Amino acid sequence: GAVVSQHPSWVICKSGTSVKIECRSLDFQATTMFWYRQFPKQSLMLMATSNEGSKATYEQGVEKDKFLINHASLTLSTLTVTSAHPEDSSFYICSARDQPSGRGEQFFGPGTRLTVL
Amino acid sequence: AQKITQTQPGMFVQEKEAVTLDCTYDTSDPSYGLFWYKQPSSGEMIFLIYQGSYDQQNATEGRYSLNFQKARKSANLVISASQLGDSAMYFCAMREGGSNYQLIWGAGTKLIIKP
Repeated sequence: GAVVSQHPSWVICKSGTSVKIECRSLDFQATTMFWYRQFPKQSLMLMATSNEGSKATYEQGVEKDKFLINHASLTLSTLTVTSAHPEDSSFYICSARDQPSGRGEQFFGPGTRLTVL
Repeated sequence: AQKITQTQPGMFVQEKEAVTLDCTYDTSDPSYGLFWYKQPSSGEMIFLIYQGSYDQQNATEGRYSLNFQKARKSANLVISASQLGDSAMYFCAMREGGSNYQLIWGAGTKLIIKP
């Protein structure tokens, strides 16, 4: 149980294009999903917290107009990197929290490796 | 101020030996949870073990155990009988109170098991 899928697993795109990453909870309903960014050899950096049916809460320093997050259903959240540039190249990973969970455990997708040329 | 501190950037351990990965935390919230995750080179984050602040006993999950010392605010991960497949990054994380259950992450420890 508690499986989270993420698609695509890797993507290469040209500078200036937009890329959409999907995060799905396969066997549970996720009221909250989290989007992280991870640079090589570093820890996870929380970008935003997404609650189903409401606007995402972005962390300080994360451009909401560049990283569009939509959480339209209890099983799907999407992250769109708009007008991508080489500095956006990174490993993006989502996680989901089921409801209700006293532990607050997050279940992670396998991640998406984005390379912007 | 750093809330989760992992002081060991990297460790080499001989196969079959036990290994302890350090984690200290800082919080004023009486209710919190501590997690350990493993991240192999493939990138996926694998949940290993959880310890709640009110749990009386140290958590154990197979070869993983958590040495929880509340007064010292430490939550070290102990891996017994290490295996080559244990080579990975290990992250300690803390959940404080709050409706969204955000996790605060440590910098991680890269563990390499030597044959």
